[in-house]
Amino acid sequence: DAKTTQPTSMDCAEGRAANLPCNHSTISGNEYVYWYRQIHSQGPQYIIHGLKNNETNEMASLIITEDRKSSTLILPHATLRDTAVYYCIVRDAGGTSYGKLTFGQGTILTVHP
Amino acid sequence: EAQVTQNPRYLITVTGKKLTVTCSQNMNHEYMSWYRQDPGLGLRQIYYSMNVEVTDKGDVPEGYKVSRKEKRNFPLILESPSPNQTSLYFCASSLLDRQDTEAFFGQGTRLTVV
Repeated sequence: DAKTTQPTSMDCAEGRAANLPCNHSTISGNEYVYWYRQIHSQGPQYIIHGLKNNETNEMASLIITEDRKSSTLILPHATLRDTAVYYCIVRDAGGTSYGKLTFGQGTILTVHP
Repeated sequence: EAQVTQNPRYLITVTGKKLTVTCSQNMNHEYMSWYRQDPGLGLRQIYYSMNVEVTDKGDVPEGYKVSRKEKRNFPLILESPSPNQTSLYFCASSLLDRQDTEAFFGQGTRLTVV
C-alpha cells in the first residue's frame, strides 16, 4: 500500500476554509486518493476521491499536485459539524486487496466558533 | 436510502460466550468487509468477502469467523470471545468492479468482553 502522511491535528475557525494536506509520495500511477472522515466514533464517511485531476463535490474539493505526490482536501466553509478525524487513503490498485481501505491515524480537525 | 446496517450497536458479553454481529447492505455490493478500531491502532481489516461464498482473511483475523451465504449479509462471528476483542467494529461494503467507487460503512458495534 502506498503510505500517506498527514498532520496529527489542525484547527480552523468556523466559516473559514479548512485545508487538510496529505503526502503520498509512493503512490502508483493508477492508484486513487480517497478522503474519508469519522465523526466521534461513527462509521467513516466518504468525502471525495480523485486520480489526477482536481475534483469538487457538494462536500469538498480535492487538489492533487501534478506529480501526484501530495494532495489537499478543502472544506470551503467549515462548520462546527465538520469537527472530525479526516483520513487520506491511497486505494490499492488491484488484486485481492482491491476493495481494502488502509487507514492511517488521520488528522483531527477541530472547528472553533 | 443506501445503507449498511449493523446490529447490535452495543454489546457487553462474557469471555467464551459465542456471539454474532450482523451486517446487511441494500446496495447489491459484491465487496464487504469488517474492521475493528482500537485507540492508537486505527481501523484494521479483519475479514473481507468479494462475493457470495468467497471470503478471506484481512490483517487481524485471529479469533473471528465470517460467512457470506447471501450477497446482502456478512455476519461476524466470535466463537469464543476474549477481552482483547473488546473494540469498536465496523462493517463496510462497496462495488468490486470499479476502483473509483466509495465504500459505505455501518454505524459501528461497540463490543465489550468481560
